[in-house]
Amino acid sequence: GQQLNQSPQSMFIQEGEDVSMNCTSSSIFNTWLWYKQDPGEGPVLLIALYKAGELTSNGRLTAQFGITRKDSFLNISASIPSDVGIYFCAGRLNAGNNRKLIWGLGTSLAVNP
Amino acid sequence: GEEVAQTPKHLVRGEGQKAKLYCAPIKGHSYVFWYQQVLKNEFKFLISFQNENVFDETGMPKERFSAKCLPNSPCSLEIQATKLEDSAVYFCASSQGTGWQPQHFGDGTRLSIL
Repeated sequence: GQQLNQSPQSMFIQEGEDVSMNCTSSSIFNTWLWYKQDPGEGPVLLIALYKAGELTSNGRLTAQFGITRKDSFLNISASIPSDVGIYFCAGRLNAGNNRKLIWGLGTSLAVNP
Repeated sequence: GEEVAQTPKHLVRGEGQKAKLYCAPIKGHSYVFWYQQVLKNEFKFLISFQNENVFDETGMPKERFSAKCLPNSPCSLEIQATKLEDSAVYFCASSQGTGWQPQHFGDGTRLSIL
């Protein structure tokens, strides 16, 4: 099935560092969502983006909907140990009437205190 | 409720047995989605409902998998004659309004086929 290209696959950083991850696609999307998943739990929504060029923040997290509508990035500033987890991008294709999400394979983040 | 509730949390079945998973969406949410998360974190869309009507079933394996969302009951996902490859975590999500709003997920059911 179709997937988003999410990178990097994993990151190991020091507490206090900034983090950046991104997703790209060959297709145009009309929605980008960023989720965080902790072990044994479901994905939790971090940020939702609906408009090309949109830049949205949620605390130390900032995400942008790429102007070409084929990419998005998520930045985390001043990382802390509780940022550890797997971050997923997900989006909806700008085609048809479907609401299903297309997913990246996740970025696994480890933070060294 | 305020959260998507999935039961059971873990389900173990022998190959060939039936497995049934349940999902109670957030109260007031009219769209329900089922996803399968397999090795390497890949999420695969299975099926979505608008209230009790199937909205999109393009991800459902044609054989063995079925799902329902009946009024006043949790939604269900049933797998007949399970296979080893069905081992995965199955997530349910719900969305309010027209279904374009963000999807909110339950904590999943881990299905293990032995």
